Amino acid sequence: GAVVSQHPSWVICKSGTSVKIECRSLDFQATTMFWYRQFPKQSLMLMATSNEGSKATYEQGVEKDKFLINHASLTLSTLTVTSAHPEDSSFYICSASTYGDRAYNEQFFGPGTRLTVL
Amino acid sequence: AQSVTQPDIHITVSEGASLELRCNYSYGATPYLFWYVQSPGQGLQLLLKYFSGDTLVQGIKGFEAEFKRSQSSFNLRKPSVHWSDAAEYFCAVGSPSGGGADGLTFGKGTHLIIQP
Repeated sequence: GAVVSQHPSWVICKSGTSVKIECRSLDFQATTMFWYRQFPKQSLMLMATSNEGSKATYEQGVEKDKFLINHASLTLSTLTVTSAHPEDSSFYICSASTYGDRAYNEQFFGPGTRLTVL
Repeated sequence: AQSVTQPDIHITVSEGASLELRCNYSYGATPYLFWYVQSPGQGLQLLLKYFSGDTLVQGIKGFEAEFKRSQSSFNLRKPSVHWSDAAEYFCAVGSPSGGGADGLTFGKGTHLIIQP
């Protein structure tokens, strides 16, 4: 159980175009989804937190107009990179968690999406 | 602000030898602590976690970690590594007050290489 998928697994786009990445929780309802960015040989950096039905909360330094996050249902969150530029090339990873009666709700991670902007 | 330090970028271990990966954290109180493994093409997999209680935590795949409050450390160990353990390992901290609603803070990772 607790499987999170991402689509696409990799994408190449031209500079100036927009790219949408989907994150789905396949066997549970995710009340909270997180988006991380991972540069080569670097750590995962939290970009934003989204709760179903509400606006995403972005970390400091993350441009909300460039990285549009939508969490319209309990099983789907999307990250749209608008007007992508080569510096946006990175590995984007989502995770999902669900509220329960536990003191802490574990995050389950997707396999990631490799974005290359030419 | 919380932070996680993994001092070793790369570690090379012979198959069958023991392993210890280091992790130090900076946090105002005792955070929730995690070790994840990332293999190429795979998502992050949770190896083990520490919330409270016994400071020696057992995880999957024969891994264990020990929380040492005095050293702000949460080192990962395995008595005998297998070639399949070659991967990237990440230590992470989470906020207990967030209840899981906050994102995790990750270290930069340690790349584990297994020599035959």
